[in-house]
Amino acid sequence: DAGITQSPRHKVTETGTPVTLRCHQTENHRYMYWYRQDPGHGLRLIHYSYGVKDTDKGEVSDGYSVSRSKTEDFLLTLESATSSQTSVYFCAISRPGLAALKGTQYFGPGTRLLVL
Amino acid sequence: AQRVTQPEKLLSVFKGAPVELKCNYSYSGSPELFWYVQYSRQRLQLLLRHISRESIKGFTADLNKGETSFHLKKPFAQEEDSAMYYCALSGYSGGSNYKLTFGKGTLLTVNP
Repeated sequence: DAGITQSPRHKVTETGTPVTLRCHQTENHRYMYWYRQDPGHGLRLIHYSYGVKDTDKGEVSDGYSVSRSKTEDFLLTLESATSSQTSVYFCAISRPGLAALKGTQYFGPGTRLLVL
Repeated sequence: AQRVTQPEKLLSVFKGAPVELKCNYSYSGSPELFWYVQYSRQRLQLLLRHISRESIKGFTADLNKGETSFHLKKPFAQEEDSAMYYCALSGYSGGSNYKLTFGKGTLLTVNP
């Protein structure tokens, strides 16, 4: 499991409330990613990070922000949660320095978020 | 732009039957392709990658650049193969960064 944990694992919140999800890794990997998984859409990249304080947007970044102040933690924040952000959120890490592993990502267990 | 298409949302086969999960891609560079699998309520995990030309759990996938396809095959499906399968393409996204683009997934059900 590459030492990846996510917290919380389940959360129910109300529309308009800020929510922060945490991804923690113990293996000092440089690259970290946040995805959302929705039926009929597969996995879509929200944001990713290629180092401390270095982040970039993915394909569905609107309404989300991220922060990475330490190598081991990558935080995803929903500034004002909406019902459309009800989803399962996965964190992932990778080691792209190894050419053969550029696309090999290791995923966390996921966080189920319900926005009422 | 990179794109991955999995034309089948659902695929149902009987145990012992051959199975093929289709994946087509669009990418202007030299692609690196992967299959990921997610068993019920578990995290995604890498099943296989084209560069390794490996067979995992009896599954194989061949990259066909002419047809821009990377179909996943298994000659004899087992019930434990029931899962969601995602095809993914690793593409260059600037600097020294790469990102994975996933297809929408195919839910495979293997019936007894």
